[in-house]
Amino acid sequence: AQKITQTQPGMFVQEKEAVTLDCTYDTSDQSYGLFWYKQPSSGEMIFLIYQGSYDEQNATEGRYSLNFQKARKSANLVISASQLGDSAMYFCAMREGRGTGGFKTIFGAGTRLFVKA
Amino acid sequence: NAGVTQTPKFRILKIGQSMTLQCAQDMNHNYMYWYRQDPGMGLKLIYYSVGAGITDKGEVPNGYNVSRSTTEDFPLRLELAAPSQTSVYFCASSSRAMNTEAFFGQGTRLTVV
Repeated sequence: AQKITQTQPGMFVQEKEAVTLDCTYDTSDQSYGLFWYKQPSSGEMIFLIYQGSYDEQNATEGRYSLNFQKARKSANLVISASQLGDSAMYFCAMREGRGTGGFKTIFGAGTRLFVKA
Repeated sequence: NAGVTQTPKFRILKIGQSMTLQCAQDMNHNYMYWYRQDPGMGLKLIYYSVGAGITDKGEVPNGYNVSRSTTEDFPLRLELAAPSQTSVYFCASSSRAMNTEAFFGQGTRLTVV
């Protein structure tokens, strides 16, 4: 069954340092996509980065990179040079392809990141 | 430039009342989703739709109904509201392409008392 697991309820990082947020997933599909979203205290959902199951290179978007280890079924988000504005809730999500998942997108429980000055 | 529009933004319901949360998107997206987010928690998929006339259950469909008569609209119906349905509800849409993100509405904060 389709499942996303984020095992870190909360994380602290010092400003300007890098931080890794963990995400593991489970799916029987060969074709799927992995997403990370940020939810600040204002509540909106902000898309950060995408990784496809067939992508051979790790995705990068500015200070965000995705450490994709397909055999281990992990898709960890790395934020470099943390900023105070990075303090937020972060969600990992997975969208399946044409398998039994039926194109639905499910989310993990989230990790709350606190950036310290 | 509207994207995904949800109404209302806030609502208080009494136990046993019914209501419809409205969701509309203007991006011609095939896929639409309803999620609920309980305080401090992740998003749980309630229902989703891959196109007009097609809907399917997500992870937590009990107590809810949906319809998709047009590409643009995807209303969520709550029948016989219960305190357990107190939550923030998000509607989202995305295109067919696997590598496109979901676009979210601003959310509806629902309290059932």
